[in-house]
Amino acid sequence: ILNVEQSPQSLHVQEGDSTNFTCSFPSSNFYALHWYRWETAKSPEALFVMTLNGDEKKKGRISATLNTKEGYSYLYIKGSQPEDSATYLCAFIAGTYKYIFGTGTRLKVLA
Amino acid sequence: ETGVTQTPRHLVMGMTNKKSLKCEQHLGHNAMYWYKQSAKKPLELMFVYSLEERVENNSVPSRFSPECPNSSHLFLHLHTLQPEDSALYLCASSQDIQGRTEAFFGQGTRLTVV
Repeated sequence: ILNVEQSPQSLHVQEGDSTNFTCSFPSSNFYALHWYRWETAKSPEALFVMTLNGDEKKKGRISATLNTKEGYSYLYIKGSQPEDSATYLCAFIAGTYKYIFGTGTRLKVLA
Repeated sequence: ETGVTQTPRHLVMGMTNKKSLKCEQHLGHNAMYWYKQSAKKPLELMFVYSLEERVENNSVPSRFSPECPNSSHLFLHLHTLQPEDSALYLCASSQDIQGRTEAFFGQGTRLTVV
C-alpha cells in the first residue's frame, strides 16, 4: 500500500513568519509530486509539479524542493500573510492513474 | 475560476434516490477524474477518463456509475447510496494522465445521504 504522509497536520504562525511543511512518500515508482493549495470553499489550486530529483521551484514567496531518493518534498512559505491560510496538499504520482494524496497541512496565519 | 465547473454544489438525497453530479471543463484537457473526500481522509481517486474512455476504476462500488459523453463533460450517476457515501466529490481535469501536468479542480459537490 502506497502511503503519503504530511506533517505537521496543522500549524498556526504569526504574520511575517516563515514556515515549512513536509511531504513524505515512497522512494520507488516515482513519476511526479504535486503541491496544491486549498482554501476553504474554493477549489484546490496547483502550486507546483515536480518531476526530477533535486528540483527546486518557486512562485512568489512559496518554494518547494524535491528529494526522490529519500522520498520527501518540502514546501516553504517566506513571510507568511493571512491570505496564505489554507490547507496545503501534496500528491504522489506513482504511475499512470496512481495518484495518492496526503491528508494535508492546515495553515493558519494570524494577523 | 479554475475552468472546471461542478453542479450542484450541494445535494441531499435519500438512500433510494437516483441523482447525478455534473462536471464540465473547457480547458481542452484530455483527462478527467472523480475524487472523493470523506471527513479527515485524503482525497481518494475514484475514476479516471482519458479521451472519453474509462481507464481506471479504483474498486468503487457499482452504486457509483461514471459517464463521459465527450471530452468536456463528466457525470457521476448515484443510486441506492449509503449514509457513509456522504462526502465531498471533486472533479478534476488535466492535459495528460501521466501526472506530469497539474490538475485543475472544480469546487466540488457536498453530498449528504440521509
